[in-house]
Amino acid sequence: AQSVAQPEDQVNVAEGNPLTVKCTYSVSGNPYLFWYVQYPNRGLQFLLKYITGDNLVKGSYGFEAEFNKSQTSFHLKKPSALVSDSALYFCAVRDHEHPSNDMRFGAGTRLTVKP
Amino acid sequence: DADVTQTPRNRITKTGKRIMLECSQTKGHDRMYWYRQDPGLGLRLIYYSFDVKDINKGEISDGYSVSRQAQAKFSLSLESAIPNQTALYFCATSDYREDTQYFGPGTRLTVL
Repeated sequence: AQSVAQPEDQVNVAEGNPLTVKCTYSVSGNPYLFWYVQYPNRGLQFLLKYITGDNLVKGSYGFEAEFNKSQTSFHLKKPSALVSDSALYFCAVRDHEHPSNDMRFGAGTRLTVKP
Repeated sequence: DADVTQTPRNRITKTGKRIMLECSQTKGHDRMYWYRQDPGLGLRLIYYSFDVKDINKGEISDGYSVSRQAQAKFSLSLESAIPNQTALYFCATSDYREDTQYFGPGTRLTVL
């Protein structure tokens, strides 16, 4: 079965600095990979996804993620963090080879951007 | 108006009570999902439905049941609530042509 690991519970960065939120995955087939963001008292919002094609995926709010097949990683990045980026971020994976399989989410990484 | 709505938004109940959480969507999606969120555990899938006649167990279905009353409605029931079912519950939808899931605002359930 597919699985996702987010090795950092918490990431702290200063406003204006680049940020990275890490994600590694495990699937038996080809992965569909996603990043979602959750603001306080809200549901999850879709940020970006990798299905196929270019390994660098650009998404909402200036975020991007790079698919690295050899390292089985899909790290989320942003060149210049904003205080408003502070939220809980979830990586998720689904096995493309088995479409009936469910999507698995990581435990989440809390990003705090300080002024 | 929100595309995916959940009712109630908050609920406090007692052990042994039957609880139903409801989800409605106006996105026209065929697929619907129920997740629970616990601190440090992320989201775990309870049940999912790919169309009205299709119901599938997820990672943690024990103690839960679901009903897909129509394409737009998917309800989650706890037949006899217990305290470790205290969590934040999310409904989500997706279209069969793409895997992006769209989430409702969540229901915070507390079982005393």
